[in-house]
Amino acid sequence: DTAVSQTPKYLVTQMGNDKSIKCEQNLGHDTMYWYKQDSKKFLKIMFSYNNKELIINETVPNRFSPKSPDKAHLNLHINSLELGDSAVYFCASSQGSLVSNEQFFGPGTRLTVL
Amino acid sequence: KNQVEQSPQSLIILEGKNCTLQCNYTVSPFSNLRWYKQDTGRGPVSLTIMTFSENTKSNGRYTATLDADTKQSSLHITASQLSDSASYICVVSARYSSASKIIFGSGTRLSIRP
Repeated sequence: DTAVSQTPKYLVTQMGNDKSIKCEQNLGHDTMYWYKQDSKKFLKIMFSYNNKELIINETVPNRFSPKSPDKAHLNLHINSLELGDSAVYFCASSQGSLVSNEQFFGPGTRLTVL
Repeated sequence: KNQVEQSPQSLIILEGKNCTLQCNYTVSPFSNLRWYKQDTGRGPVSLTIMTFSENTKSNGRYTATLDADTKQSSLHITASQLSDSASYICVVSARYSSASKIIFGSGTRLSIRP
């Protein structure tokens, strides 16, 4: 009965590869997010989609491309992976604005780039 | 510059004791402040959310306070339990006329010892 799920949980890959992380929420929320948590544990928002439309796009390399096929899914595709991309990536969702409403986070995907 | 600073960085206490975590922020214009609990290997879970007009909010053994004048918040944990071992993250939101921003603190790592 998972509310926000992500796959895979762990991802180990070589520099230069392209990889995707998938996220799905079954809460009926209209807004989804991707966050990056680095080794110092800072969480930083990367993208936010509302009803499949991009509404927040922080300063993120264009190697990162989010895709929202429907409002229950927000996938993250990363091209030409670099060592600095190693982090834990969290998907989240909320009903309405991220400022006013509670966010529910997925379990995270630990990405390791070798 | 919008910042959220938490102290201490880490804290170890004995089971059954109380503790207080601090959060200072310079985010403006202030919209709300949240405290999240993040267990190791999991996504953050919301504990409390407070707007400008709220001074205190409780969630079981967790009580958050907010002083919007001094831009400080605290999270008090009463009668700590082993399951309270986690990182506690303070998050402050700002709402501008055409956008919004959410800033995460780096968290306080709390360890409860039996």
